[in-house]
Amino acid sequence: AQSVTQPDIHITVSEGASLELRCNYSYGATPYLFWYVQSPGQGLQLLLKYFSGDTLVQGIKGFEAEFKRSQSSFNLRKPSVHWSDAAEYFCAVGARNNNDMRFGAGTRLTVKP
Amino acid sequence: ETGVTQSPTHLIKTRGQQVTLRCSSQSGHNTVSWYQQALGQGPQFIFQYYREEENGRGNFPPRFSGLQFPNYSSELNVNALELDDSALYLCASSLGRPSSTDTQYFGPGTRLTVL
Repeated sequence: AQSVTQPDIHITVSEGASLELRCNYSYGATPYLFWYVQSPGQGLQLLLKYFSGDTLVQGIKGFEAEFKRSQSSFNLRKPSVHWSDAAEYFCAVGARNNNDMRFGAGTRLTVKP
Repeated sequence: ETGVTQSPTHLIKTRGQQVTLRCSSQSGHNTVSWYQQALGQGPQFIFQYYREEENGRGNFPPRFSGLQFPNYSSELNVNALELDDSALYLCASSLGRPSSTDTQYFGPGTRLTVL
């Protein structure tokens, strides 16, 4: 079965600095990969997704992610972080029919003024 | 704002009791999935429904059951509550037939505490 590892539990960056959140997956076939963001008291919001094609994916709120098959990675990046980006970020890998999506444990992002 | 609502927001139960959580999806969203998110962890897939039929289940015991109704609402029922059932329960809906490429829209969740 598929699985996801997010190696960083907590990351702190200064406002305006660049951000990279790491995600490694394990799946035998072509993965369907997602990044979600969860703010306190809210549900998950989809930032971006990758199924096939161009390995650099653009998402909402200025985020992008790059799929690297050779490294089994799907890291999330943002060139300049805003204070409103402070939240919990989840990487997920989907299976056929989306009925067994596996999430990582999440990375909590703190943004310093 | 995803258009997916859940009720209640918070709930406190005691061990052995039963609980029903509710979700209201966007009109036209025929697929709904339920997830359990324990504190400090990512969501775990419980099960999925498509047009009122179960369409897949994660590693959860039978005391977790669900229903989906024609009016795009759904329920998660948990019997014989255990302390480990304390978690945030999320529902997510998507348009049409279940598909790995379809976007899921998550509700804000129900926080269940079992004492």
